[in-house]
Amino acid sequence: SQQGEEDPQALSIQEGENATMNCSYKTSINNLQWYRQNSGRGLVHLILIRSNEREKHSGRLRVTLDTSKKSSSLLITASRAADTASYFCATAANAGGTSYGKLTFGQGTILTVHP
Amino acid sequence: DGGITQSPKYLFRKEGQNVTLSCEQNLNHDAMYWYRQDPGQGLRLIYYSQIVNDFQKGDIAEGYSVSREKKESFPLTVTSAQKNPTAFYLCASSEGFWLDRSGANVLTFGAGSRLTVL
Repeated sequence: SQQGEEDPQALSIQEGENATMNCSYKTSINNLQWYRQNSGRGLVHLILIRSNEREKHSGRLRVTLDTSKKSSSLLITASRAADTASYFCATAANAGGTSYGKLTFGQGTILTVHP
Repeated sequence: DGGITQSPKYLFRKEGQNVTLSCEQNLNHDAMYWYRQDPGQGLRLIYYSQIVNDFQKGDIAEGYSVSREKKESFPLTVTSAQKNPTAFYLCASSEGFWLDRSGANVLTFGAGSRLTVL
């Protein structure tokens, strides 16, 4: 099964509103990343948060990580129509004390921002 | 500009045919990956390569093959053994595979190749 599970599967909001997407995972991780995918295109890396970090900001993006609950959230503030895309979380697992970079992706959240 | 180039963007295949998807990167990245994406789904790992002349099976390798003869190239062959090959295929690369430094496993993706079996 997928390491990351995202919630909600789809989110529809108006421009200017905030969008929050959640990701849950099952195993111990080294880092968690968020990616964006415009329809029919490749994914673009947005932000990485390490397992010893609790919150990270990048422009209008805010990511939180709760390793005790094995969950993360991505907040996009003051959303724009151009933010319309699918958003995926991806985790890099710790493997027996040695960390490797293979990422496991969640199913994604489809965000629609209406003008 | 540095990046990953996938070709072709669209490919149609008749049942029983093998097809090869090209992936080239000029980022000088050590690790490369192939993912498959089905409609409304997340990405599933087909194969990955930590370094040139090395590759490992991912979660759904059956019916696929790869090679890594050059650092910049990681072609994927979809064989006739793949029962349901119609999908969107994404190639990616990262600086490294082992997390000896932060961000080494941040992926850069190509634009994807859409394969349709007729």
